[in-house]
Amino acid sequence: DQQVKQNSPSLSVQEGRISILNCDYTNSMFDYFLWYKKYPAEGPTFLISISSIKDKNEDGRFTVFLNKSAKHLSLHIVPSQPGDSAVYFCAASKGTSYGKLTFGQGTILTVHP
Amino acid sequence: EAGVTQSPTHLIKTRGQQATLRCSPISGHTSVYWYQQALGLGLQFLLWYDEGEERNRGNFPPRFSGRQFPNYSSELNVNALELEDSALYLCASSLGQGSSQPQHFGDGTRLSIL
Repeated sequence: DQQVKQNSPSLSVQEGRISILNCDYTNSMFDYFLWYKKYPAEGPTFLISISSIKDKNEDGRFTVFLNKSAKHLSLHIVPSQPGDSAVYFCAASKGTSYGKLTFGQGTILTVHP
Repeated sequence: EAGVTQSPTHLIKTRGQQATLRCSPISGHTSVYWYQQALGLGLQFLLWYDEGEERNRGNFPPRFSGRQFPNYSSELNVNALELEDSALYLCASSLGQGSSQPQHFGDGTRLSIL
């Protein structure tokens, strides 16, 4: 029962263009969503998060959009840079009493110079 | 600000042995989380400690256990090691429960079972 899904295993983008990473979830109890970036041999690095009471959150080049009715969130990176090449994970949690993050399988983003 | 630190970086054990993994959270963080990333699988939640108490547990057998110390550091113990326990074990920390705060991860301990 995979409650958080990233259906695109990989994405290739040209430097300077927009990268759009997608994530779908099935559990309507999720109310907090996060994106992480992971380089090889390192732990995941927190990028940006969004609460279910919002539909958009922006931080520099990174914007996360949440569509609760579709149970879908996306991460936009504009402009994309070669250093953004990494594995991106979306994660979700429900409430503050569970602690558990449920992760998607990840999307490998490659940004070509 | 120092991030989450984990030790050791690598750990090699044989079947049936016990492994102890350690984690120091970011200063000021009271919650510590443990995740397992086995080869080909995503990150799976193992345990959550806050203020020295186990708050939640993932779908793992009882031979996976841990504790949190008064300084908020944590240990993960895995008893009776099996080959399938070979994985990257990640520790994360956050501010305490009661608010939605992001979890910040260490670089993990690679556990290999021979």
